[in-house]
Amino acid sequence: EDKVVQSPLSLVVHEGDTVTLNCSYEVTNFRSLLWYKQEKKAPTFLFMLTSSGIEKKSGRLSSILDKKELFSILNITATQTGDSAVYLCVLRGQGGSEKLVFGKGTKLTVNP
Amino acid sequence: GAVVSQHPSRVICKSGTSVKIECRSLDFQATTMFWYRQFPKKSLMLMATSNEGSKATYEQGVEKDKFLINHASLTLSTLTVTSAHPEDSSFYICSASPFGGLSNQPQHFGDGTRLSIL
Repeated sequence: EDKVVQSPLSLVVHEGDTVTLNCSYEVTNFRSLLWYKQEKKAPTFLFMLTSSGIEKKSGRLSSILDKKELFSILNITATQTGDSAVYLCVLRGQGGSEKLVFGKGTKLTVNP
Repeated sequence: GAVVSQHPSRVICKSGTSVKIECRSLDFQATTMFWYRQFPKKSLMLMATSNEGSKATYEQGVEKDKFLINHASLTLSTLTVTSAHPEDSSFYICSASPFGGLSNQPQHFGDGTRLSIL
């Protein structure tokens, strides 16, 4: 059965800290790995990773995929209180399948 | 960028009422849309795949007569919760991606509908 495991499940840091969120997976033949941020509403898209070793970056956030080790990380530097959210790691199936396999998420709390 | 609009954002109604939730892709066509349900502090649970012009595909354990899905156009899918009861109270979210299953575009989510059945 396809599985996505995120760690830690919960993390509390202070503003300015750097955090690394982990995502490991056991999914056969996936097309892409996506990271989403969910606050009080629906998830908002952050990154889509398809190739191993290529870092995607957006401001203070960056992410990378290691297909050999079946692992991805999401880094957030100089965290701000607005980064507090649940971060979801999601895998998308191969071929015509749009089915997503969700991790349980990492709840990040950034305190002032 | 791709935008998915969901309406209404919040519904409060009495037990026995049927509630319709709309999901629209605003700047792209979506042959496939997805409906999820999310319980508090849990991840999204796929309920069904909505297919334009054909029947929806429901996940195991989801009652298709309870959760009616209609995908009548390339930009609109609706989910109707029929004869809703308090246990149907939840956060319902739709998603879609441009060009459907053959694209390399990410799925984008609507803002969700919080349904409360009294």
